[in-house]
Amino acid sequence: DQQVKQNSPSLSVQEGRISILNCDYTNSMFDYFLWYKKYPAEGPTFLISISSIKDKNEDGRFTVFLNKSAKHLSLHIVPSQPGDSAVYFCAASANRGGGADGLTFGKGTHLIIQP
Amino acid sequence: AAGVIQSPRHLIKEKRETATLKCYPIPRHDTVYWYQQGPGQDPQFLISFYEKMQSDKGSIPDRFSAQQFSDYHSELNMSSLELGDSALYFCASSLALSPDEQYFGPGTRLTVT
Repeated sequence: DQQVKQNSPSLSVQEGRISILNCDYTNSMFDYFLWYKKYPAEGPTFLISISSIKDKNEDGRFTVFLNKSAKHLSLHIVPSQPGDSAVYFCAASANRGGGADGLTFGKGTHLIIQP
Repeated sequence: AAGVIQSPRHLIKEKRETATLKCYPIPRHDTVYWYQQGPGQDPQFLISFYEKMQSDKGSIPDRFSAQQFSDYHSELNMSSLELGDSALYFCASSLALSPDEQYFGPGTRLTVT
C-alpha cells in the first residue's frame, strides 16, 4: 500500500517554464513533507520541506504548496533550468512523539528539462 | 561542506554470505537512518538510531542488524544474503532537533550473485 503517491513517472518541461511536480498521500498522521532531488549514482539531496501547519514554503526557485484537506502537495520550480533534470522524490514523516522516524517516499518523478 | 560518507560504494557478495555496510554521518549529526532502494523502487526505511539507541524500525529483515557507535557512525550487518537483497543502501543523518531533515549519503550498491 503506497502511502505517498507520485502518479507521474516522468515530466518534460521546456527550459525557463514552470515545472510542477505533484504528490498525494493517504496517511493522515503525516505532518512533515519533504522533496528530494536525485541524480543517478548519487544519494537523494534535500531540497525543501513543509510542516503541516503551513500551506506554502518558498526557497529561491522552489516553492512547495500543501493542501491538507486534499492530502496533496506540489513542488513548483520556476524558472526551470537544465540542471533541474533529475528524479524528484516526495517524502513524508509522521512525528510520533519525537525521535528519528523514517521517511516514507513516493516512487519519484523523472523531470526532464528541454532546452 | 562535509556530507554523509558511506563505504564501500560497491559490494559484490554471493548468496548466504554476510556483508557490513558503514555510514559516517555529517559532523555533529547524532541520528542515522538506513534505507534500501531496489531497482526502480522508492527508498524503503529500514532502521534508525539516536545516541546509539534504536529509535525507529521499518521493514528491516531479521537477517539484518545495525548499530550506532559512540562516534555516531553506524554499521548495517547483513547475513544469509539473498538475491533479493541486491539494492542500493542509503544512509542518512540528521540532528535530533531537526529529525525530519535527513541528509543522504551516496549509497552502497550491493549485488548478490
